[in-house]
Amino acid sequence: DVKVTQSSRYLVKRTGEKVFLECVQDMDHENMFWYRQDPGLGLRLIYFSYDVKMKEKGDIPEGYSVSREKKERFSLILESASTNQTSMYLCASSLIVQYYGYTFGSGTRLTVV
Amino acid sequence: DAKTTQPNSMESNEEEPVHLPCNHSTISGTDYIHWYRQLPSQGPEYVIHGLTSNVNNRMASLAIAEDRKSSTLILHRATLRDAAVYYCIEASGSRLTFGEGTQLTVNP
Repeated sequence: DVKVTQSSRYLVKRTGEKVFLECVQDMDHENMFWYRQDPGLGLRLIYFSYDVKMKEKGDIPEGYSVSREKKERFSLILESASTNQTSMYLCASSLIVQYYGYTFGSGTRLTVV
Repeated sequence: DAKTTQPNSMESNEEEPVHLPCNHSTISGTDYIHWYRQLPSQGPEYVIHGLTSNVNNRMASLAIAEDRKSSTLILHRATLRDAAVYYCIEASGSRLTFGEGTQLTVNP
């Protein structure tokens, strides 16, 4: 089975800190995604990547950046964390989105204080 | 973005079948229909997907209308562990767009 691993299950950071959320997949998928999930707002796409060093903005990229230096790893970076970035962050990967869909990680619940 | 319509919530009794409906009236001929579910405090997990024909796997069945404008996810015997939010998605392009889904409650 494909595994998508997010480095932390729970994270607490201070306002203004630079935060790194790491995601690793083990099945050689080209496509990787970062979503955040908030009550009443559902899953919203932040950034995605379809190849190494390639990235595309999703629906809510402001305040975030990403890095994909290796195929298996996709990092989400909060340049200067703010309290409104407190959320559940979900990483996903896919071989061919339309046919195979996504495999998600377990999520990282980030709290910014 | 591709848009589906699902009821906000549904209830079922344990060991009874559950039929979760989804409307996808704007679906194009090459878009697959995917279903995911999300248990509390977990990431969504894949359930089933299909294009035109009905599909079965160990988790569920997917019945797709002939005009493809709607589909139904069928859980043959609901268990308490099936209580989750179920998402129906038109898979088009390079990303999936999640709606609010259906919150399924399973009563013992």
